[in-house]
Amino acid sequence: QVQLVESGGGVVQPGRSLRLSCVASGFTFRNYGMHWVRQAPGRGLEWVAIIWYDGSKKYYGDSVKGRFTISRDNSKNTLYLQMNSLRAEDTAVYSCAREGVEGVAAADYWGQGTLVTVSS
Amino acid sequence: DIQMTQSPSSVSASVGDRVTITCRASQGINNWLAWYQQKPGKAPNLLIFAASNLQSGLPLRFSGSGSATEFSLTISSLQPEDFATYYCQQAHSFPLTFGGGTKVEIK
Repeated sequence: QVQLVESGGGVVQPGRSLRLSCVASGFTFRNYGMHWVRQAPGRGLEWVAIIWYDGSKKYYGDSVKGRFTISRDNSKNTLYLQMNSLRAEDTAVYSCAREGVEGVAAADYWGQGTLVTVSS
Repeated sequence: DIQMTQSPSSVSASVGDRVTITCRASQGINNWLAWYQQKPGKAPNLLIFAASNLQSGLPLRFSGSGSATEFSLTISSLQPEDFATYYCQQAHSFPLTFGGGTKVEIK
């Protein structure tokens, strides 16, 4: 079955960097686009970024553009999110999600997430 | 950016009730809209894609409708496992955006 497992979260000081990983299994990773979505404590969902199945295109949410970078290694079935210049408002659970097949245009499988806390 | 506005923000209902949640887009998105269900401490679960297509394996009491800027999610007969928060999300253009969520609570 499809599994997405995130790691790399933790407590980090403002202005510092952190890299999240998401290991995929149960499907052909290289065939699917992938998202990062975050949820601040007690708040709603916020879309962070998407990467095409082959890494050829990437798009970002306004609040992270220029600071975060999404990437992938299809040989390792792994998705990444490099987060630089972190701010307190980046504190959230970060989840990776698989983009559905063409025509679905939605995230059909999600990981459980990893918590990032930005605090001095 | 396209703004997504959900209403109501919360609704109290009883088992067996019909519940409808509305999502409005700030500009036309054709039918590029998805609905998700999220229970506390759990990952979101895709319910509906392309406005009206029920995700495989899900009960028929969930249905979606709408196009352009007005969309709705209907639960025809609320079950105990349906008490959760529901989010809409537009997939028309980047950045993708979610609605603020609708919490369905037990009356």
